[in-house]
Amino acid sequence: SQQGEEDPQALSIQEGENATMNCSYKTSINNLQWYRQNSGRGLVHLILIRSNEREKHSGRLRVTLDTSKKSSSLLITASRAADTASYFCATDARETSGSRLTFGEGTQLTVNP
Amino acid sequence: DTAVSQTPKYLVTQMGNDKSIKCEQNLGHDTMYWYKQDSKKFLKIMFSYNNKELIINETVPNRFSPKSPDKAHLNLHINSLELGDSAVYFCASSSRSFPGSRAFFGQGTRLTVV
Repeated sequence: SQQGEEDPQALSIQEGENATMNCSYKTSINNLQWYRQNSGRGLVHLILIRSNEREKHSGRLRVTLDTSKKSSSLLITASRAADTASYFCATDARETSGSRLTFGEGTQLTVNP
Repeated sequence: DTAVSQTPKYLVTQMGNDKSIKCEQNLGHDTMYWYKQDSKKFLKIMFSYNNKELIINETVPNRFSPKSPDKAHLNLHINSLELGDSAVYFCASSSRSFPGSRAFFGQGTRLTVV
């Protein structure tokens, strides 16, 4: 089954506004990570939250994790046009065969200047 | 001094051909991956190697054969290319010995099969 389903699929906001993206997953995890992908580029790691953590901050990013609901959210405050990108959550469910990151379908964020 | 580098960045080829994509990481990581990103941007893991040993092999046609000559390299060879193989292929690496470590991705190889 697919892990990490994000919503919304697309989000368009004005510069200065906050952007919130949500992610749901299905199985137990060790940690959940958020990545960013600019058009035509590779994925860049943003932030990691472990399964025993509930909230984490990094600059303008705030991530929450609710393991009882199997969901996470990524908040970008005071958005900038340069934040325009696709954002993916990825779950790390370490298995006996080795860890893997399972990605969601992503949220396309557009920040209008 | 790129962390994870893939070549080529673009690859256009005809159906039926055989092609390879190369990946190298200089981070000292022990685990490398291949992911496929389709036109809808969905990322799906294909293979994972740890210390040159295959540890994850998802349901991928056996036309796809990964090869890891050493811990720093993981190449992907594709035989008899089909139209449906068109996608962006990403190589990534991480440190399995460091629990919960992040993955570093290459810039991707956009494969177009015509």
